Amino acid sequence: AQTVTQSQPEMSVQEAETVTLSCTYDTSENNYYLFWYKQPPSRQMILVIRQEAYKQQNATENRFSVNFQKAAKSFSLKISDSQLGDTAMYFCAFMFNNAGNMLTFGGGTRLMVKP
Amino acid sequence: DAGVTQSPTHLIKTRGQQVTLRCSPKSGHDTVSWYQQALGQGPQFIFQYYEEEERQRGNFPDRFSGHQFPNYSSELNVNALLLGDSALYLCASSFDRGTIVGNTEAFFGQGTRLTVV
Repeated sequence: AQTVTQSQPEMSVQEAETVTLSCTYDTSENNYYLFWYKQPPSRQMILVIRQEAYKQQNATENRFSVNFQKAAKSFSLKISDSQLGDTAMYFCAFMFNNAGNMLTFGGGTRLMVKP
Repeated sequence: DAGVTQSPTHLIKTRGQQVTLRCSPKSGHDTVSWYQQALGQGPQFIFQYYEEEERQRGNFPDRFSGHQFPNYSSELNVNALLLGDSALYLCASSFDRGTIVGNTEAFFGQGTRLTVV
């Protein structure tokens, strides 16, 4: 079974600075997807960014980008120009290509953006 | 366009009781997945419904059951509640077109907070 590990339970960053959240995963599969989800106090999971394992290029969405190292099974999230609204729990998640949206989540990282 | 809606938002039940949680998927979506998120942890997959049938199931006991209706809405039922069932229950919907291929985005509701006392 696949596992997802987030080794940073909590992190903080000053507004406008850059922060990187770490994620590692374990799988023997070759075709899969990786995601970062944001969960603010409203509790709703919001997709931040996704990466297809077959793509070598790292995904980017505005201020959010990933560093995907397939051989190392590492998938970190970089948030540039941090904003107060980025304060939330962040979850890394894994999905097999044939899993029909069955996600395996990590334990989460609580990010606090300080003014 | 309404997103994924769940009801109720909060619920308190007594040990041994039964509970039903409800989910209406995002308009146009045909697949509903349920997750349990214990306090301070990541969500865990319970099961997924497509075409009114359970298509995939995570490592949860038979006390957890579900149903999907012709309008694609779904219910999660938990029998013989335990204190350990206290958690946030999240519903996610997607449009899978009947193919189990992970290239569609799942949209989540705001969850139901279940407290078992």
